[in-house]
Amino acid sequence: DAGVIQSPRHEVTEMGQEVTLRCKPISGHNSLFWYRQTMMRGLELLIYFNNNVPIDDSGMPEDRFSAKMPNASFSTLKIQPSEPRDSAVYFCASSLNGRAYEQYFGPGTRLTVT
Amino acid sequence: DAKTTQPNSMESNEEEPVHLPCNHSTISGTDYIHWYRQLPSQGPEYVIHGLTSNVNNRMASLAIAEDRKSSTLILHRATLRDAAVYYCILGYGQNFVFGPGTRLSVLP
Repeated sequence: DAGVIQSPRHEVTEMGQEVTLRCKPISGHNSLFWYRQTMMRGLELLIYFNNNVPIDDSGMPEDRFSAKMPNASFSTLKIQPSEPRDSAVYFCASSLNGRAYEQYFGPGTRLTVT
Repeated sequence: DAKTTQPNSMESNEEEPVHLPCNHSTISGTDYIHWYRQLPSQGPEYVIHGLTSNVNNRMASLAIAEDRKSSTLILHRATLRDAAVYYCILGYGQNFVFGPGTRLSVLP
């Protein structure tokens, strides 16, 4: 299995620019989760999807953040405009049938906003 | 969300068993107990989960107290590759919260 694939692995951008993070879940998994990890706040759940439908986006920090899942094999997390405080590692995870207790995480995207 | 309490850090010697404790006195009847770990520079990795009975898998064992207010993750023989942050999480369904976890150091 290829596992969860995230791209890019590293992203450096300037404040005010749009950033798009991408995720390909494990084939057959129908739940997808986006997390953010920082030293200060630890690992935070931003949003999760079931069968491509956003179920809970209460963790999304503000309107600058948006996530989509146009099909079962692809999701994006977009930040527009980006700010230095958005610098973090962003993880995507997927699971089977909404089983949060067995999530498979991707390698993460390290975002630096200068 | 029910909360968990874990020690900030623990040390173990290589090839010895490790018992990682977790307290969760406010656990509800439907909360599963989940354990994940995060190796350096990697995403979290599922370890094990349980509800009431002790559980074993190829990675670890989970011992759950009879009153379910605490649990222990057991690594039967620690290796250097087990050095990671271990998270104990309570949850039911799809939404659960990662705490700060326990940073396990394994000494050769």
